[in-house]
Amino acid sequence: GAGVSQSPSNKVTEKGKDVELRCDPISGHTALYWYRQSLGQGLEFLIYFQGNSAPDKSGLPSDRFSAERTGGSVSTLTIQRTQQEDSAVYLCASSGTSGPYNEQFFGPGTRLTVL
Amino acid sequence: AQSVTQLDSQVPVFEEAPVELRCNYSSSVSVYLFWYVQYPNQGLQLLLKYLSGSTLVESINGFEAEFNKSQTSFHLRKPSVHISDTAEYFCAVSGFGSQGNLIFGKGTKLSVKP
Repeated sequence: GAGVSQSPSNKVTEKGKDVELRCDPISGHTALYWYRQSLGQGLEFLIYFQGNSAPDKSGLPSDRFSAERTGGSVSTLTIQRTQQEDSAVYLCASSGTSGPYNEQFFGPGTRLTVL
Repeated sequence: AQSVTQLDSQVPVFEEAPVELRCNYSSSVSVYLFWYVQYPNQGLQLLLKYLSGSTLVESINGFEAEFNKSQTSFHLRKPSVHISDTAEYFCAVSGFGSQGNLIFGKGTKLSVKP
């Protein structure tokens, strides 16, 4: 079956512009996670969605970052007024159910470059 | 809060040699432990995990990891590596009672040479 998909695969933007990154989780998966993979920081958790519940935003690095999940499926991560330090690979993962013991299935990521 | 330390950023090894990738964690609560692997130009995928029970867990491609609670370690081992094992390996934890967000180490790049 189809895995987690993300778009675009690459995004180059100018400092100060807004960007939107999209994630399509595996059909039927209720839990969705966003992570960021950067050279200096490794893999960092950003935000978590479970179904239609309020998201856990505890990992978002600043208020320029926001995310939503429509209909319990597709998710969009928005970064406003991008900065060069936002350059990273943004990974989305989904899991069949929430919980700390479940396997997460990762998408291929969106590589964001802020000039 | 949890943290994960992977002491070796790069591990070069010759084909058919044994390898150990080290992982230590710190946590104020009990944790579940994972190893994820990222092959070149591919996404992250689960290699193996420890939830409970036997402290030694194995993957389908010959890797094994042992949970050592007293040393707070979850080292990954393989007795004989192949060229195809070349990848970046990430150790991760999630805390009991958490929503499943993973705390990752910074990764170890395993490079297997012929």
